Parts: sequence; C-alpha cells; structure tokens
Amino acid sequence: AQTVTQSQPEMSVQEAETVTLSCTYDTSESDYYLFWYKQPPSRQMILVIRQEAYKQQNATENRFSVNFQKAAKSFSLKISDSQLGDAAMYFCAYRSANNDMRFGAGTRLTVKP
Amino acid sequence: DTAVSQTPKYLVTQMGNDKSIKCEQNLGHDTMYWYKQDSKKFLKIMFSYNNKELIINETVPNRFSPKSPDKAHLNLHINSLELGDSAVYFCATSSIETEAFFGQGTRLTVV
Repeated sequence: AQTVTQSQPEMSVQEAETVTLSCTYDTSESDYYLFWYKQPPSRQMILVIRQEAYKQQNATENRFSVNFQKAAKSFSLKISDSQLGDAAMYFCAYRSANNDMRFGAGTRLTVKP
Repeated sequence: DTAVSQTPKYLVTQMGNDKSIKCEQNLGHDTMYWYKQDSKKFLKIMFSYNNKELIINETVPNRFSPKSPDKAHLNLHINSLELGDSAVYFCATSSIETEAFFGQGTRLTVV
C-alpha cells in the first residue's frame, strides 16, 4: 500500500505570516489524487485543497496553495496570511485510482497572535 | 441534511461488550471507509467498501466486522471490546471524482 509521510509533527507560525507544511508519498501509480485536510479541535475533517496527479498546475484555494512535485513525490501546503482560525491538525492524504485512501501522521499547526 | 451521518457520537462501554457504530450517506458515493484515529491523532484505514463489496481489510482483528446492507450504509460491529479499542472512529465516503467526505466521528471509550 502507498505510504504518506509528514515529517513535521508540529509547526508554529506568527499570525499574518506564511507557513509551509511538508508531505511526501510513495507510489508506483501514475494516476492518483492528493489532498490536504484540516482537523480543528471539534475533530471534524475539513477538506482544504485537492490536487489531481495528471494536472501540472498547482491547486490554489484562497490563502492555501500547494507545491506539487510529481517526480519528487512531494505535495507541500502553503498557508499565506495565517489566521488564528488556521490552528489545527493538518493531514496529507493520498488516494489511488481504486479509491484506497491513506493519510500521513499529521502536523499540528499553532498560530501565534 | 447531513451528507455523512454517524451514530452514536459518543460511546462509553465496558470491556467485553459488543457494540455497533452506524454510518449513513446521502451523497450517492460508491466507496465507503472506516478509519480509526488513535490518541496520537493517527488516521488508520480499517476497511473500504465499493458498491457493497469489501475491497480493503487492513490487518484489523476479527473482532471488528463491517457490514454494508446497501450502498448508503456501512456499519461497524465490534465484539469483545478491549481497552485498546478506545479511539475515535470515522466513517467516510468518496467517489472517483471527489474528495472523501467524513462523518463527525464516534468517540469510543472502553472502561
């Protein structure tokens, strides 16, 4: 099965600054999807952004953008103009073409006022 | 109208008991999942069903048995509960073209 690695258990950012969360994955497939999910203390899983592997253009959603490097199997999340409400656990996820979906261990993001 | 609904939201039970967690979706998705999130927040896939067929069974003890009566439901039955089963269990659904949608989670506490 594919593996997803998030090498940063915890990250901290000052309010209004930019932070980048890292994610790498291991796969032999060419067709797959990548996601970043946010989990606040309420434990609800919220989609932040998604990327189809066949798309070369990096996905962007308002203050959230990704740096997708397919050859390097890297999928980092950049949060610009960080807000207090961005504080949460962030999970990187890989979904294969047959819908097998795996998550990384998560990164706890703290936003300092 | 909740897209993915799990019941109950909280479950406290004694060791050795048998319990079930129910999951229902109204999105028409073909694939449903059960994940276990432990105290360190790690999300581990347990089972995946596609059109009522089991496609992933990820080294889960036999005490855990998923049941999919139809495409909209995937229930999780746990026999002989153990202390180590305490966790948050998430149901999720997806289709080929969408992200996964999650239920609100069930916090299971075994005492």
